[in-house]
Amino acid sequence: KQEVTQIPAALSVPEGENLVLNCSFTDSAIYNLQWFRQDPGKGLTSLLLIQSSQREQTSGRLNASLDKSSGRSTLYIAASQPGDSATYLCAVDNNDMRFGAGTRLTVKP
Amino acid sequence: DAGVIQSPRHEVTEMGQEVTLRCKPISGHNSLFWYRQTMMRGLELLIYFNNNVPIDDSGMPEDRFSAKMPNASFSTLKIQPSEPRDSAVYFCASSPTGREQYFGPGTRLTVT
Repeated sequence: KQEVTQIPAALSVPEGENLVLNCSFTDSAIYNLQWFRQDPGKGLTSLLLIQSSQREQTSGRLNASLDKSSGRSTLYIAASQPGDSATYLCAVDNNDMRFGAGTRLTVKP
Repeated sequence: DAGVIQSPRHEVTEMGQEVTLRCKPISGHNSLFWYRQTMMRGLELLIYFNNNVPIDDSGMPEDRFSAKMPNASFSTLKIQPSEPRDSAVYFCASSPTGREQYFGPGTRLTVT
């Protein structure tokens, strides 16, 4: 059974810092990996989707990488802003979406 | 496009009552997913449909839970009878490919 782990569980940084969120998974036979953002009391917003054949995806200040062989993905956020404060979840798809518990990010002005 | 639409946004009901949650997927998407999110268990997949047909319902916790998708633009998740431990946020998501998913705002269910 696929297990998805996100580290750290919570992160607080000052505005402007670059930061990295980590996601690891136990079964490397995945179709894709997706990063989501969740604001308090809101639904999930898809940030980046990396197909199993890809190594990374970029959108604006976000960059997600995927290393299937080691079962790891990172979400890099450049020049963080207070508006980036949210919970970030990764989800892996190997015929069944499995979510990590999320990393709660706080960016302080 | 309005995105995935869920109703109601909040539901408070008493134990034993029937609860029906509704979802309208994004037009043209052929896959629909129901999830439950709790503090204890995080986000869990309950069931998903492809072309209106249930493909995998192994995540449905008990027979009290049932889901239907009578057409491509509507799905329901029903709990009968509801119990306090069903209290959670229920999300619906749709996908054009079965892979990349777009989530609705969720329904926050409280069973007292």
